[in-house]
Amino acid sequence: AQSVTQLGSHVSVSEGALVLLRCNYSSSVPPYLFWYVQYPNQGLQLLLKYTSAATLVKGINGFEAEFKKSETSFHLTKPSAHMSDAAEYFCAVSDSFGGNEKLTFGTGTRLTIIP
Amino acid sequence: ETGVTQTPRHLVMGMTNKKSLKCEQHLGHNAMYWYKQSAKKPLELMFVYNFKEQTENNSVPSRFSPECPNSSHLFLHLHTLQPEDSALYLCASSQDGSGGPVDTQYFGPGTRLTVL
Repeated sequence: AQSVTQLGSHVSVSEGALVLLRCNYSSSVPPYLFWYVQYPNQGLQLLLKYTSAATLVKGINGFEAEFKKSETSFHLTKPSAHMSDAAEYFCAVSDSFGGNEKLTFGTGTRLTIIP
Repeated sequence: ETGVTQTPRHLVMGMTNKKSLKCEQHLGHNAMYWYKQSAKKPLELMFVYNFKEQTENNSVPSRFSPECPNSSHLFLHLHTLQPEDSALYLCASSQDGSGGPVDTQYFGPGTRLTVL
């Protein structure tokens, strides 16, 4: 069975500071990993995904994540936080290759940006 | 309309009511999903449809009844719900990429359901 653990349900960073949101996964097969963002009163939007190509994945809005197999981690980072980054972030893992992937989501991390 | 749309955005219903949630995708995808998002819990996959056929029912109570008349539309029919069913219900779609890289799911804005 696959699972995702997001450390820290709430993270606060100052505007301009580094953003680091942690995600650790458990999967019995090579995983496919995703980060989604949810702004208030909106659905989930894909930030980036890892599908066994490059281990450093670049996404939208300046975010990136690095797949580290030895640490079973897929942490999300952004060098400089912006006020518009305030949202909830979800890490997800999928264990299928093609077809209807079954995503297993973490509980989410709410990111607050301090002016 | 673009992407994935859901109506209504907000719904308040009593436990004896019958209502339906609607999802429409304008992306040419052939797989659609219903998720339940409750406070402080991970998103829960409820149903998956691929080419209008249900391929996943994640042990969802029978008071939730999905319908997928075509690959662009997905409904969730609700009846005799309980207060604990109050949540944000999200619809998503993806392109079936059988044999290829995993396909991204695109989400709608959700329907905020309150059961009184």
